Parts: sequence; structure tokens; C-alpha cells
Amino acid sequence: EPEVTQTPSHQVTQMGQEVILRCVPISNHLYFYWYRQILGQKVEFLVSFYNNEISEKSEIFDDQFSVERPDGSNFTLKIRSTKLEDSAMYFCASSGLAGAPNTGELFFGEGSRLTVL
Amino acid sequence: AQKITQTQPGMFVQEKEAVTLDCTYDTSDPSYGLFWYKQPSSGEMIFLIYQGSYDQQNATEGRYSLNFQKARKSANLVISASQLGDSAMYFCAMRETSYDKVIFGPGTSLSVIP
Repeated sequence: EPEVTQTPSHQVTQMGQEVILRCVPISNHLYFYWYRQILGQKVEFLVSFYNNEISEKSEIFDDQFSVERPDGSNFTLKIRSTKLEDSAMYFCASSGLAGAPNTGELFFGEGSRLTVL
Repeated sequence: AQKITQTQPGMFVQEKEAVTLDCTYDTSDPSYGLFWYKQPSSGEMIFLIYQGSYDQQNATEGRYSLNFQKARKSANLVISASQLGDSAMYFCAMRETSYDKVIFGPGTSLSVIP
């Protein structure tokens, strides 16, 4: 069964450093997402990406964050100048088959845990 | 404004009993989808069930059913014959068709007691 894969599973970084979290969505999906979950709390929407551009972003997704789909398979989240409060689990998700209505059912990766020291 | 409300931070249920997890939502979009996801202690997000706003019948998937009451804007998850492996966080979520994003409620922690 196709799945969303994320790397790394866990990253530890120093405050102020840049991190890149990588995701490989399901290959024939059209919509890609990043979500954040701080310590088992609420799953927070960060950004959605469709047709090679950001379609929506939350107020959390400020200039510190950026996303890219550099090569048609990977979908990356870059966090510049990390802060302590960026420590969280970051989930990538994809949805929407080409030629089918997008119900919004999200297929999640297993998450990347970011720890900022 | 909070669009998804789950009023039960924690729930307990006896093994083999049924349990209902509450979810209410707020939207002015006539077309939307409602979802439930399970997050066990291992952390992955597992899709359980989907209900479209125009679906005439309540969705069912195995032991999971969604009690959809459109006028009350509620989409409660019913788990029948609870199993120990059902112990997890459960998130209600919604996607308004006008938007791409899916938003999540705060979650309900379910514990199944043997």
C-alpha cells in the first residue's frame, strides 16, 4: 500500500539553526500538507500546497517557514533560525487523486520529531 | 474562532462495550467533509472514517460509525465492542470544500479498561 514517508524521524538542533524536514507524499496525490503537534496536543495546520504553490497557510506559518517541492517527488519544510517553541512533531500529509474529487482524507507520514535545544 | 469542539478531554470504557466520542463543528460552507483520526501512543495518525455533508446515510467502517446530525452540527464517533487496542487519542476534523486545509479538534483520550 502506498504511504507517505518522512525523514528524519527525529532531529535535534541548536536554537538559531536551520532545519529541513523531508517528505515523500503518495505519488499520484495532488495536495500536500504540513501539520505540527506540540507534545501530544492539538494537531495544527501549517500549510497546504497544490499545483506547485502554497494554497493556504496558517498564522503560524510566518517568514520563518518555507516549503518546496524541488523535484516532483519530495516535499520539504524548511524552518529558519529555530526557536525553542518550534520543538514539536511535524507531520506531512497528502491527499487527492488526480481525476477524483478531493474529499480531504489525509494520508499522514509517521512524523518528524524536532527538538530545539 | 474554534471550529471543531471535542468536549471530552478523556473517556473510559469497559472492554467490549460501545463508546461515543463527541464532536461539534461550526461552518457556513454548505459543502464540507468530516473525519475522525486515531492517534495511538506510538504517534502515527490513522484515518478512521469520513462523512460528507451531503451524504444521506451515516458513515460506517467496521466497528466505527459516525452519528451525523447536520442540523445540530455534530459528528459523533461511535466505537462498538471496544478493544484494548482502541486506547488512543481521537481527533475529529473538518474540511470545508472552499478550502484545502483540514482542521482538527483538540482530541479526546480514550482508555479501554479490561
